[in-house]
Amino acid sequence: GQNIDQPTEMTATEGAIVQINCTYQTSGFNGLFWYQQHAGEAPTFLSYNVLDGLEEKGRFSSFLSRSKGYSYLLLKELQMKDSASYLCAVEGGSTLGRLYFGRGTQLTVWP
Amino acid sequence: ETGVTQTPRHLVMGMTNKKSLKCEQHLGHNAMYWYKQSAKKPLELMFVYSLEERVENNSVPSRFSPECPNSSHLFLHLHTLQPEDSALYLCASSQGRGDEQFFGPGTRLTVL
Repeated sequence: GQNIDQPTEMTATEGAIVQINCTYQTSGFNGLFWYQQHAGEAPTFLSYNVLDGLEEKGRFSSFLSRSKGYSYLLLKELQMKDSASYLCAVEGGSTLGRLYFGRGTQLTVWP
Repeated sequence: ETGVTQTPRHLVMGMTNKKSLKCEQHLGHNAMYWYKQSAKKPLELMFVYSLEERVENNSVPSRFSPECPNSSHLFLHLHTLQPEDSALYLCASSQGRGDEQFFGPGTRLTVL
């Protein structure tokens, strides 16, 4: 079966750095996505990794190790608006765009 | 209008009702998806359409019936639902493998 694991909740303070980990076991691998979802809103795309290494995009970075089945999302200079659920998703299997999602990590940023 | 739109945004229905959810994408994408999001559970893929052809039906009960008349529109027809079907139903679209999926705002469905 498919298994995507990430912590349920994390807290941090404004200006800090937080790392959200994701481990996965899937039958195929075509890349790993991170999405942000604010309460009551649609998920929005943050990052995509298909090769090992670090992808940096402003305050957000994402890392992938395919051999370890591991990824993390790094958020720097945290702001209150970063309080949201962060979803790890792996594209696997043979179906176009077939994403397997984790349960999401609810991040709360305190002042 | 841009992106992915969904209507209605909220729906309350009885178990004997028939209703439909509508999704429209203005991004020129080839693939469209229906997801179900319940509290404390991962996003669950329900259906995938690629170029208007259903390519995946993820063991969804027959009381949910999708329809994709063209590459821009996707419907989810609902009939004789159960209270446990209450959830947020999200539509998404993408261009292809390895491309990000763009999500609509969702329909919050409550089955009484």
